[in-house]
Amino acid sequence: QSVLTQPPSVSAAPGQKVTISCSGSSSNIGNKYVSWYQHLPGTAPKLLIYENNKRPSGIPDRFSGSKSGTSATLGITGLQTGDEADYYCGTWDNSLSAYVFGTGTKVTVL
Amino acid sequence: EVQLVETGGGLIQPGGSLRLSCAASGFNVSSNYMTWVRQAPGKGLEWVSVIYRGGYTHYADSVKGRFTISRDNSKNTLYLQMNSLRGEDTAVYYCARDPPGGGDAFDLWGQGTMVTVSS
Repeated sequence: QSVLTQPPSVSAAPGQKVTISCSGSSSNIGNKYVSWYQHLPGTAPKLLIYENNKRPSGIPDRFSGSKSGTSATLGITGLQTGDEADYYCGTWDNSLSAYVFGTGTKVTVL
Repeated sequence: EVQLVETGGGLIQPGGSLRLSCAASGFNVSSNYMTWVRQAPGKGLEWVSVIYRGGYTHYADSVKGRFTISRDNSKNTLYLQMNSLRGEDTAVYYCARDPPGGGDAFDLWGQGTMVTVSS
């Protein structure tokens, strides 16, 4: 069972916005950078956000990240059908001495 | 081209051993933190292990004592030696790059290799 909790699913119509929360603790999110990944079944996961709110080259600014205390949030604006995927937060956990992923959130475009 | 290519997956009986390889091109594995992540059928992503530039390693509790991460700098390849395999090790295994100074973020992933542990 993951130490980072995400909602199982979120959905919205095309063009709308969704937010995905990631709740952790002081041993992980509270003191470490958070990353976000997009994963389509059968493909390699893709890094969307690193260091809480930075986007790698090539990631559109429709994707944004933020962190406050022991929680982090991924926002997706201008939702597109191609955004349907599973999304995971991730960070290092000092207590576990291990990297931890969130439970994952499935985004559905209605 | 900068890429990672995993090989070595397959069907293995419980208790058996398997070695996964992850060949890197376009960058040096020795200059980065390199990690293995897996995804069991119907489950989420699970971090497995990391090897740092200096060779120091960490493992998830679920594989500690059974799996060994290593690299061959001359071949620019990352490995995962998996022993005493169990059914719950059945998963797609991905290797990924974690550039130093990148805040523990995996910016490059391989396509994955499937490991099935079953009799």
